[in-house]
Amino acid sequence: DADVTQTPRNRITKTGKRIMLECSQTKGHDRMYWYRQDPGLGLRLIYYSFDVKDINKGEISDGYSVSRQAQAKFSLSLESAIPNQTALYFCATSGSGTTDTQYFGPGTRLTVL
Amino acid sequence: RKEVEQDPGPFNVPEGATVAFNCTYSNSASQSFFWYRQDCRKEPKLLMSVYSSGNEDGRFTAQLNRASQYISLLIRDSKLSDSATYLCVVNMLSFPDSSASKIIFGSGTRLSIRP
Repeated sequence: DADVTQTPRNRITKTGKRIMLECSQTKGHDRMYWYRQDPGLGLRLIYYSFDVKDINKGEISDGYSVSRQAQAKFSLSLESAIPNQTALYFCATSGSGTTDTQYFGPGTRLTVL
Repeated sequence: RKEVEQDPGPFNVPEGATVAFNCTYSNSASQSFFWYRQDCRKEPKLLMSVYSSGNEDGRFTAQLNRASQYISLLIRDSKLSDSATYLCVVNMLSFPDSSASKIIFGSGTRLSIRP
Protein backbone atom coordinates (compact mmCIF):
# COMPACT_ATOMS: atom_id res chain seq x y z
CA ASP A 1 0.00 0.00 0.00
CA ALA A 2 1.13 3.52 -0.78
CA ASP A 3 2.50 5.54 2.12
CA VAL A 4 0.89 8.79 0.94
CA THR A 5 -2.49 8.67 -0.75
CA GLN A 6 -4.56 11.40 -2.33
CA THR A 7 -8.22 11.49 -3.29
CA PRO A 8 -9.59 12.14 -5.79
CA ARG A 9 -6.94 11.45 -8.40
CA ASN A 10 -8.75 13.43 -11.06
CA ARG A 11 -11.49 16.00 -10.76
CA ILE A 12 -13.26 18.25 -13.21
CA THR A 13 -15.39 21.00 -11.72
CA LYS A 14 -16.97 24.31 -12.60
CA THR A 15 -16.06 27.84 -11.62
CA GLY A 16 -17.44 28.78 -8.23
CA LYS A 17 -17.73 25.26 -6.85
CA ARG A 18 -16.18 24.26 -3.53
CA ILE A 19 -13.65 21.45 -3.84
CA MET A 20 -11.82 19.43 -1.21
CA LEU A 21 -8.71 17.40 -1.90
CA GLU A 22 -7.72 14.87 0.72
CA CYS A 23 -4.39 13.45 1.73
CA SER A 24 -3.58 10.58 4.09
CA GLN A 25 -0.25 9.15 5.14
CA THR A 26 0.92 6.07 6.99
CA LYS A 27 4.53 7.18 7.45
CA GLY A 28 3.93 8.59 10.92
CA HIS A 29 5.35 11.97 9.87
CA ASP A 30 4.42 15.15 11.69
CA ARG A 31 4.92 17.45 8.71
CA MET A 32 2.57 17.62 5.76
CA TYR A 33 2.49 19.90 2.73
CA TRP A 34 0.32 20.86 -0.20
CA TYR A 35 1.88 21.93 -3.50
CA ARG A 36 0.58 22.79 -6.89
CA GLN A 37 2.49 22.23 -10.08
CA ASP A 38 1.92 24.07 -13.32
CA PRO A 39 3.80 23.40 -16.55
CA GLY A 40 7.15 25.18 -16.54
CA LEU A 41 6.69 26.59 -13.03
CA GLY A 42 7.79 23.74 -10.84
CA LEU A 43 6.32 23.00 -7.44
CA ARG A 44 4.84 25.88 -5.48
CA LEU A 45 3.97 25.54 -1.81
CA ILE A 46 0.37 26.33 -0.88
CA TYR A 47 0.19 25.42 2.82
CA TYR A 48 2.16 23.35 5.25
CA SER A 49 1.62 21.93 8.70
CA PHE A 50 4.33 20.94 11.17
CA ASP A 51 1.88 19.23 13.48
CA VAL A 52 -1.84 19.02 14.09
CA LYS A 53 -1.99 22.43 15.76
CA ASP A 54 0.40 24.19 13.42
CA ILE A 55 -0.76 25.48 10.01
CA ASN A 56 1.27 27.86 7.87
CA LYS A 57 0.75 29.63 4.60
CA GLY A 58 3.07 28.93 1.73
CA GLU A 59 3.90 31.20 -1.17
CA ILE A 60 0.53 30.90 -2.95
CA SER A 61 -2.15 30.40 -0.28
CA ASP A 62 -4.74 32.87 -1.62
CA GLY A 63 -7.92 31.08 -2.66
CA TYR A 64 -7.07 27.97 -0.64
CA SER A 65 -7.64 26.75 2.89
CA VAL A 66 -6.50 23.62 4.73
CA SER A 67 -7.48 21.45 7.63
CA ARG A 68 -5.24 19.08 9.58
CA GLN A 69 -7.79 16.66 10.98
CA ALA A 70 -5.22 14.30 12.49
CA GLN A 71 -1.53 13.57 12.24
CA ALA A 72 -2.23 11.39 9.25
CA LYS A 73 -4.72 13.60 7.39
CA PHE A 74 -4.35 16.97 5.72
CA SER A 75 -7.00 18.31 3.37
CA LEU A 76 -6.92 21.21 0.94
CA SER A 77 -10.04 23.19 0.02
CA LEU A 78 -10.77 25.55 -2.79
CA GLU A 79 -13.67 27.60 -1.47
CA SER A 80 -14.73 28.93 -4.85
CA ALA A 81 -12.76 27.35 -7.66
CA ILE A 82 -11.54 29.46 -10.56
CA PRO A 83 -10.00 28.34 -13.87
CA ASN A 84 -6.45 29.43 -12.98
CA GLN A 85 -6.52 26.88 -10.16
CA THR A 86 -6.41 24.19 -12.80
CA ALA A 87 -3.22 22.33 -11.95
CA LEU A 88 -1.66 19.16 -10.60
CA TYR A 89 -1.81 19.12 -6.80
CA PHE A 90 0.58 17.12 -4.66
CA CYS A 91 0.52 16.32 -0.99
CA ALA A 92 3.82 15.50 0.71
CA THR A 93 5.04 14.47 4.15
CA SER A 94 8.36 14.64 5.91
CA GLY A 95 10.02 14.07 9.24
CA SER A 96 11.12 16.97 11.40
CA GLY A 97 14.87 16.84 10.99
CA THR A 98 16.92 19.05 8.72
CA THR A 99 18.09 16.00 6.82
CA ASP A 100 14.60 14.67 6.32
CA THR A 101 13.31 14.55 2.81
CA GLN A 102 9.77 14.63 1.48
CA TYR A 103 7.57 11.83 0.27
CA PHE A 104 4.87 12.67 -2.23
CA GLY A 105 1.43 11.38 -2.94
CA PRO A 106 0.48 10.46 -6.52
CA GLY A 107 -1.14 13.82 -7.20
CA THR A 108 -4.62 15.10 -8.00
CA ARG A 109 -5.26 16.52 -11.44
CA LEU A 110 -7.82 19.30 -11.04
CA THR A 111 -9.54 21.02 -13.94
CA VAL A 112 -11.74 24.04 -13.32
CA LEU A 113 -13.96 24.93 -16.25
CA ARG B 1 16.94 35.89 -7.17
CA LYS B 2 15.37 32.49 -6.64
CA GLU B 3 16.49 30.56 -3.59
CA VAL B 4 17.20 27.49 -5.71
CA GLU B 5 18.00 27.78 -9.40
CA GLN B 6 18.37 25.17 -12.10
CA ASP B 7 18.89 25.26 -15.84
CA PRO B 8 15.47 24.18 -17.16
CA GLY B 9 16.95 22.45 -20.20
CA PRO B 10 15.89 20.45 -22.02
CA PHE B 11 19.06 18.43 -22.26
CA ASN B 12 18.80 16.10 -25.22
CA VAL B 13 21.60 13.54 -25.25
CA PRO B 14 22.21 10.17 -26.92
CA GLU B 15 21.97 6.94 -25.02
CA GLY B 16 25.27 6.10 -23.35
CA ALA B 17 26.34 9.71 -22.93
CA THR B 18 27.37 11.35 -19.70
CA VAL B 19 25.32 14.34 -18.62
CA ALA B 20 25.68 16.74 -15.72
CA PHE B 21 23.33 19.22 -14.10
CA ASN B 22 24.09 21.98 -11.66
CA CYS B 23 21.89 23.68 -9.15
CA THR B 24 22.73 26.83 -7.19
CA TYR B 25 21.26 27.91 -3.88
CA SER B 26 21.28 31.32 -2.27
CA ASN B 27 21.07 30.60 1.45
CA SER B 28 24.38 29.68 3.02
CA ALA B 29 22.49 28.29 6.04
CA SER B 30 21.21 25.45 3.89
CA GLN B 31 21.48 22.17 5.72
CA SER B 32 20.78 19.31 3.41
CA PHE B 33 20.44 18.67 -0.26
CA PHE B 34 18.69 16.20 -2.49
CA TRP B 35 18.04 15.29 -6.07
CA TYR B 36 14.55 14.15 -7.00
CA ARG B 37 13.35 12.64 -10.23
CA GLN B 38 9.93 13.37 -11.67
CA ASP B 39 8.41 11.53 -14.59
CA CYS B 40 5.75 13.22 -16.67
CA ARG B 41 2.54 13.73 -14.67
CA LYS B 42 3.87 11.65 -11.78
CA GLU B 43 4.96 12.58 -8.29
CA PRO B 44 8.55 13.56 -7.55
CA LYS B 45 10.58 10.74 -6.05
CA LEU B 46 13.83 10.91 -4.14
CA LEU B 47 16.77 9.97 -6.33
CA MET B 48 19.56 10.58 -3.85
CA SER B 49 20.68 12.73 -0.99
CA VAL B 50 23.80 14.84 -1.47
CA TYR B 51 26.53 14.69 1.14
CA SER B 52 29.45 17.03 1.66
CA SER B 53 31.94 14.40 0.64
CA GLY B 54 30.02 13.58 -2.51
CA ASN B 55 28.24 10.31 -3.04
CA GLU B 56 27.65 7.80 -5.73
CA ASP B 57 24.81 5.41 -6.45
CA GLY B 58 25.49 3.26 -9.46
CA ARG B 59 25.61 5.50 -12.52
CA PHE B 60 24.66 8.59 -10.50
CA THR B 61 27.09 10.84 -8.66
CA ALA B 62 26.10 13.85 -6.58
CA GLN B 63 28.47 16.55 -5.38
CA LEU B 64 28.09 19.47 -3.02
CA ASN B 65 30.21 22.62 -3.14
CA ARG B 66 29.37 24.71 -0.10
CA ALA B 67 31.88 27.44 -0.90
CA SER B 68 30.27 28.15 -4.26
CA GLN B 69 26.80 27.11 -3.09
CA TYR B 70 25.95 24.60 -5.73
CA ILE B 71 25.18 20.93 -6.06
CA SER B 72 25.62 18.78 -9.10
CA LEU B 73 24.30 15.53 -10.48
CA LEU B 74 26.27 13.43 -12.94
CA ILE B 75 24.67 10.60 -14.87
CA ARG B 76 27.01 8.20 -16.62
CA ASP B 77 26.12 5.74 -19.39
CA SER B 78 22.66 7.27 -19.69
CA LYS B 79 19.70 5.04 -20.45
CA LEU B 80 16.43 5.78 -22.19
CA SER B 81 14.74 5.28 -18.83
CA ASP B 82 16.70 8.22 -17.39
CA SER B 83 14.49 10.59 -19.38
CA ALA B 84 12.71 12.67 -16.76
CA THR B 85 12.82 16.00 -14.98
CA TYR B 86 15.41 16.26 -12.23
CA LEU B 87 14.60 18.49 -9.29
CA CYS B 88 17.15 20.01 -6.99
CA VAL B 89 15.92 20.30 -3.41
CA VAL B 90 17.46 22.25 -0.56
CA ASN B 91 16.50 22.06 3.11
CA MET B 92 17.45 25.31 4.76
CA LEU B 93 16.99 26.84 8.17
CA SER B 94 14.27 29.44 8.24
CA PHE B 95 16.14 31.55 10.75
CA PRO B 96 19.72 31.42 11.93
CA ASP B 97 18.76 30.72 15.52
CA SER B 98 15.77 28.53 14.92
CA SER B 99 15.39 24.85 14.47
CA ALA B 100 12.67 25.45 11.91
CA SER B 101 13.63 24.51 8.41
CA LYS B 102 12.04 24.82 5.03
CA ILE B 103 12.36 22.75 1.92
CA ILE B 104 12.80 24.57 -1.38
CA PHE B 105 12.43 22.90 -4.77
CA GLY B 106 14.12 24.05 -7.92
CA SER B 107 12.00 24.24 -11.05
CA GLY B 108 13.67 21.19 -12.51
CA THR B 109 15.90 20.27 -15.42
CA ARG B 110 14.37 18.23 -18.21
CA LEU B 111 16.47 15.41 -19.58
CA SER B 112 15.64 13.52 -22.74
CA ILE B 113 17.72 10.53 -23.79
CA ARG B 114 17.49 9.60 -27.46
CA PRO B 115 18.26 6.13 -28.87
